[in-house]
Amino acid sequence: SQKIEQNSEALNIQEGKTATLTCNYTNYSPAYLQWYRQDPGRGPVFLLLIRENEKEKRKERLKVTFDTTLKQSLFHITASQPADSATYLCALSISSGSARQLTFGSGTQLTVLP
Amino acid sequence: GAVVSQHPSRVICKSGTSVKIECRSLDFQATTMFWYRQFPKQSLMLMATSNEGSKATYEQGVEKDKFLINHASLTLSTLTVTSAHPEDSSFYICSAREVGREGVWNEQFFGPGTRLTVL
Repeated sequence: SQKIEQNSEALNIQEGKTATLTCNYTNYSPAYLQWYRQDPGRGPVFLLLIRENEKEKRKERLKVTFDTTLKQSLFHITASQPADSATYLCALSISSGSARQLTFGSGTQLTVLP
Repeated sequence: GAVVSQHPSRVICKSGTSVKIECRSLDFQATTMFWYRQFPKQSLMLMATSNEGSKATYEQGVEKDKFLINHASLTLSTLTVTSAHPEDSSFYICSAREVGREGVWNEQFFGPGTRLTVL
């Protein structure tokens, strides 16, 4: 069966440290993998996208890696701040017939402690 | 740019009644909108894909007669939960894909969500 798993339902780290979140998937061949941030009671906000032929992508304090052999993506937040506390979702972009869909992992709730 | 709104943000209704949720793209046109449902501490689950001017495509296990979707214009899609029951209580989120950018990497802009509570 197809699965997307985000290891660690919850992750607590100290302010200033690097947070590393993991997304593993099975039985998919995604063209793209995306990371979103979701705050309580709000919709997801797009952060970063990485293509299947890319190894790494950076945006300010964010870094994403994509290993299609391991079927894994790592999401890093460097110099973390309490304002980074949120749930982070990975999503695979998959073609289904004529449509492209997003399939989401269940998320990792990150808490950055001051 | 690329703002999606939902109305209402919260709704409480009695069991057996129907509830309509609106999803609007405010500053762009969207031929395709998506409806998701999210239960507490769970992932967003795609319910249906809504295409302007045509019938929605529902995911397996989603009852099309219970969750009525209308995409009457390029800026508005509505989801009506008919004969709602307590198990329909959830967080409903829509997203929209901009006209002309369908070939882009599945770019979707998400609304803020609607919290439905059925008593």
